[in-house]
Amino acid sequence: AQSVTQLGSHVSVSEGALVLLRCNYSSSVPPYLFWYVQYPNQGLQLLLKYTTGATLVKGINGFEAEFKKSETSFHLTKPSAHMSDAAEYFCAVSEGPAGFNKFYFGSGTKLNVKP
Amino acid sequence: DTAVSQTPKYLVTQMGNDKSIKCEQNLGHDTMYWYKQDSKKFLKIMFSYNNKELIINETVPNRFSPKSPDKAHLNLHINSLELGDSAVYFCASSQVTGMNTEAFFGQGTRLTVV
Repeated sequence: AQSVTQLGSHVSVSEGALVLLRCNYSSSVPPYLFWYVQYPNQGLQLLLKYTTGATLVKGINGFEAEFKKSETSFHLTKPSAHMSDAAEYFCAVSEGPAGFNKFYFGSGTKLNVKP
Repeated sequence: DTAVSQTPKYLVTQMGNDKSIKCEQNLGHDTMYWYKQDSKKFLKIMFSYNNKELIINETVPNRFSPKSPDKAHLNLHINSLELGDSAVYFCASSQVTGMNTEAFFGQGTRLTVV
């Protein structure tokens, strides 16, 4: 079975500072990993994903994440936070095609960006 | 062109009523889902359909009944609504085959039971 742990339900950074949102997963099969962002009263929008290949993946809005199998982690980073990055971020794992893409989500991290 | 659309966006109803939420996707995906997001923002899968067949049915009260008339639609009917059903319900779709395996989400339906 899969599960996702996001450390820190709230993260606060200053504008221009590094953003680091942590995600650890457990999976019985090679996972597919995702980061989604949710703005207030909106649905979830895909930021980036890892399926196979290069372990450092780049997404929209300057975000990137690195898949580290040995650490079972998929942390999300952005070198310089912008006010518009303030939102809720969700890490998710799926079993891929073999598991009919059942997505397991972490509990979310709310990112606050201070001016 | 909205990829995954759900209606209504807001739904306020009294306890004991029966209500439906509709979902349509125009992405040609073969898998659709319903997720429930509680007040703490936790997202939990409820159901998943693949080509109109139910493949995931989590421990959801049988007052919740999904219906998929075709692979582009997955509706959620809720009988005898309870206060604890208040949440945001998200519809999503994905394609099982190929590399584009992410889920695409609708905008959500905020259900408030009073």
